Order: sequence, then structure tokens, then C-alpha cells
Amino acid sequence: RKEVEQDPGPFNVPEGATVAFNCTYSNSASQSFFWYRQDCRKEPKLLMSVYSSGNEDGRFTAQLNRASQYISLLIRDSKLSDSATYLCVVTSSGGSYIPTFGRGTSLIVHP
Amino acid sequence: DTAVSQTPKYLVTQMGNDKSIKCEQNLGHDTMYWYKQDSKKFLKIMFSYNNKELIINETVPNRFSPKSPDKAHLNLHINSLELGDSAVYFCASSRTSGVSYEQYFGPGTRLTVT
Repeated sequence: RKEVEQDPGPFNVPEGATVAFNCTYSNSASQSFFWYRQDCRKEPKLLMSVYSSGNEDGRFTAQLNRASQYISLLIRDSKLSDSATYLCVVTSSGGSYIPTFGRGTSLIVHP
Repeated sequence: DTAVSQTPKYLVTQMGNDKSIKCEQNLGHDTMYWYKQDSKKFLKIMFSYNNKELIINETVPNRFSPKSPDKAHLNLHINSLELGDSAVYFCASSRTSGVSYEQYFGPGTRLTVT
């Protein structure tokens, strides 16, 4: 089983739609969770951290379910500019903090 | 000011050559990383340095050698380049002494080996 798994998509949605991505992780000792966004031919950029209680940033909501070992990202009112690849990152601590990236979920928002 | 910078941005070279990629961060972070993103877009960690000491060394050919002269710099030297080394290499940095470990990435170096 891969350490961090994501549905690669693509998710093809119209503007204004709500879309949700999930990411599962295998290491129950994982400590930190993030969503990054990567545009084509660009570097990954932090979108948001994921906290145990769930957190929201504008149209974006992230949630963590430790029991089932997954995190989710919900995007409401999708914009054309949301088109990108969304990377799930899980960091574990075994003496050093090892970040593991998922392969990413591609989102295409069309007019 | 650019937080994490890499040079060069593009690198085209022939098989068998030796090349280096430089990375600098001005965020005051104590941990730096090198990642490789292949043609399938999978981002895989190669190395991590914390306060100039190697803390992560994933399964990477020993042709790849990272060097950290100080906390703000982490360079990657590659010997005897092979076709399979063609990829985008990203440098990143983070703080690992606190609760949050968000990483900040450089713009990437697109390496093409011919």
C-alpha cells in the first residue's frame, strides 16, 4: 500500500461547482497534514494546513479523520483559477520529520 | 525578495557530464530539502538537511551528492548524468523546530539530459 494515496483525476467541473478531494495515508503516527497546490510547470505552494478540528479558509475547507486515516479538501464555488493539481502531504516523525507527497489530484474548472 | 531560489532554472547537458544545482533560502529555516519530480509528476524526496546535517537520504544513486555549506544553502551535485536523471528538481525549506512544518519551494530546475 502506498504511503499517501490520492485519486489522480482529473476532476472536470463547471465554474461555481463544489468539489471534494480525499487523501488516505498509511502511517498512523503521522503528525502534520497539508494541502499544496501546483500549477503547470510551477513549484508546489502551500494551500492550507489541516488541523484535527478541521479548518476553513475562504472557499476552501480541510478536514482530518485520524480514525480512518484520511484528509479531505472541499472547494466551494469553483473558479477557473482553481484549475491546478492538488497535492496531499503527510509528515511523520521518526526522529526526523519526513514529508511524503501524494501524486496529486488534477482539477479542471471550465466555464 | 525570493524566499527560496534555485539556479539554474534550466539545464541541458549530455550524458556522462557532471553538473550542480544551487539553492538558497532567506527564510531563516533550519531544514532544507531536494525533491525530484519526474515526467509522471510524482514528487519524491531525495535528501533533507537540518542545520547542515543530513537527516534524510532516500534511495538515491550515489552519483547524487548534496552539500550544505551553511543553513541557508543546499546544493546538489550530480556526477555522470544519465538519461533517467531528466526531471524537475525542486529545493525546499521548512522550520522543523515548531509545530508547523510547511515547506516553501524554489521555482525548480528543469534538467534535460541528452
